[in-house]
Amino acid sequence: GDSVTQMEGPVTLSEEAFLTINCTYTATGYPSLFWYVQYPGEGLQLLLKATKADDKGSNKGFEATYRKETTSFHLEKGSVQVSDSAVYFCALSGSYNTDKLIFGTGTRLQVFP
Amino acid sequence: GAVVSQHPSWVICKSGTSVKIECRSLDFQATTMFWYRQFPKQSLMLMATSNEGSKATYEQGVEKDKFLINHASLTLSTLTVTSAHPEDSSFYICSASWGLAGRIGELFFGEGSRLTVL
Repeated sequence: GDSVTQMEGPVTLSEEAFLTINCTYTATGYPSLFWYVQYPGEGLQLLLKATKADDKGSNKGFEATYRKETTSFHLEKGSVQVSDSAVYFCALSGSYNTDKLIFGTGTRLQVFP
Repeated sequence: GAVVSQHPSWVICKSGTSVKIECRSLDFQATTMFWYRQFPKQSLMLMATSNEGSKATYEQGVEKDKFLINHASLTLSTLTVTSAHPEDSSFYICSASWGLAGRIGELFFGEGSRLTVL
């Protein structure tokens, strides 16, 4: 079945460092791909999405490119801030592009000043 | 963005009792809501899809008689954990969908409800 694999955390970085959180997926068909973020004490919220191969989703300085050839959707940010400390979840929609999302295990990012 | 609120945020109950968790979409009508369960250091596990005015669709392995879901209005879905036991202790999360073709997968999540069964 469809699945999402994320790198284990926590990822610990100093402010202004470059961030990469790896995400790979297994799916039949052509799913949409998402990154959700969960800040402390809050619910998950959509960070960015991409709906087809080679699409790049971007928001708040974060980017991720839908790579069908490597089945990946890695999250990147050029310069992280302390306020980016959160748990990041990679997800895909079902094979028929439904609202039923399949999530990775989440990666905790800790940014220190 | 849209707001989804869950209540209570945390609850402690005795084994054998039932607990109800509410999920409300505060500023939009949600025809579809989802309930998840999250274990420590694990992913969100989808339990069921809740559709307004109809029976919930449960994922394989989820006991529908233990986890009762009701979606009586476009802004409220409830999850009732019946005859709770310690193994039901977990973090329960709900989400709501726009239900729009161009916004597939863009879900709004509640803050979660932590259930501890003694």
